[in-house]
Amino acid sequence: AQSVTQPDIHITVSEGASLELRCNYSYGATPYLFWYVQSPGQGLQLLLKYFSGDTLVQGIKGFEAEFKRSQSSFNLRKPSVHWSDAAEYFCAVALRSNDYKLSFGAGTTVTVRA
Amino acid sequence: EPEVTQTPSHQVTQMGQEVILRCVPISNHLYFYWYRQILGQKVEFLVSFYNNEISEKSEIFDDQFSVERPDGSNFTLKIRSTKLEDSAMYFCASSDGNSGANVLTFGAGSRLTVL
Repeated sequence: AQSVTQPDIHITVSEGASLELRCNYSYGATPYLFWYVQSPGQGLQLLLKYFSGDTLVQGIKGFEAEFKRSQSSFNLRKPSVHWSDAAEYFCAVALRSNDYKLSFGAGTTVTVRA
Repeated sequence: EPEVTQTPSHQVTQMGQEVILRCVPISNHLYFYWYRQILGQKVEFLVSFYNNEISEKSEIFDDQFSVERPDGSNFTLKIRSTKLEDSAMYFCASSDGNSGANVLTFGAGSRLTVL
């Protein structure tokens, strides 16, 4: 069955440290890939997306993600986290460019300690 | 920055009652959606709406659910007779369809608790 997996339910990281959130998908073809972030009381905000081209994509808030076809992964990274990065992060995929039925991973909660 | 707004932020209701969740999508967007997230589970697609009609719905979106765009700004989700398992966070989203229909802007969600 097609699925999106975020293996880490919860990650704690120190402020200033690097962060990497994992996302794996199982689809027959390369899907369209997204990372969303949800801060407390906020909606799901799009951080970045990958449709095609350069496999390293830059997003907002200093985040980047790398698409690796061989590993069916789209991991999210940030070199130095800020306390405001504490939030829940969701990986999502769509099968076509006009497919609005996003399939979401279960989410990873990031806690930032001082 | 334009945003999708949802009301109420939290609603508690008794089983069997009707609930209406309201959303104001971004004004120039043409595509509207509802997703939901049951506590501890994944965010799931419920329904999409375009040109004043449902364009697609999931198997979750049964006859108890309906959507409406009663005027030029609001987009509502109605649950006719709530069940315990309807307790979830409901997210409204919209898109303009130009940057890819799947570039969605989500609201902050409406948490529904059914007792």
